[in-house]
Amino acid sequence: QKEVEQNSGPLSVPEGAIASLNCTYSDRGSQSFFWYRQYSGKSPELIMFIYSNGDKEDGRFTAQLNKASQYVSLLIRDSQPSDSATYLCAVNSAGGTSYGKLTFGQGTILTVHP
Amino acid sequence: EAQVTQNPRYLITVTGKKLTVTCSQNMNHEYMSWYRQDPGLGLRQIYYSMNVEVTDKGDVPEGYKVSRKEKRNFPLILESPSPNQTSLYFCASSFPGLAGVDGELFFGEGSRLTVL
Repeated sequence: QKEVEQNSGPLSVPEGAIASLNCTYSDRGSQSFFWYRQYSGKSPELIMFIYSNGDKEDGRFTAQLNKASQYVSLLIRDSQPSDSATYLCAVNSAGGTSYGKLTFGQGTILTVHP
Repeated sequence: EAQVTQNPRYLITVTGKKLTVTCSQNMNHEYMSWYRQDPGLGLRQIYYSMNVEVTDKGDVPEGYKVSRKEKRNFPLILESPSPNQTSLYFCASSFPGLAGVDGELFFGEGSRLTVL
């Protein structure tokens, strides 16, 4: 089982809709969770991070974390064509020998069509 | 301008010819890391460094070496490259936190390496 798993997609949504991206992780001790966006041919850039159970909102983006279910998601409201990209979920492993390891999922390709 | 600089950006080489990909950051970050990105596999961590002279293996360290003699530089060395190391490589840096890496990673622009 992969440590961090995402549906690779592609996920296609119409402009103005809500895009829902999901990520599961295997390490129960994971403490920090990140969503990165990567445009084609570019480097990843941070969208949001979340540490505590519940929701965290930033503009059109909402990150949701459920540690009991080992599940983190990203909602994009009012999706725009400019949101079309690959979205990477990243999880910081627990301490000890894993201190400093940041594990990424394989990414979900999102396409927002006009 | 705050940035992470990688060189070379593109390289085609042959099997067995040693090469070094340099990475330099100007943000005074303690944490630096190398990733490779392959289709369908996402970003996989090769090595990371929590500070000068402190390095550790990531998930796919085989065939790679790193060193951290200065805070700003974190070169990736391929002693004897093989075709399965053909990939897109990213260097990244950050301030470490209590949980290791709990801050934003700043990525370089990537180095596309082809080993024939």
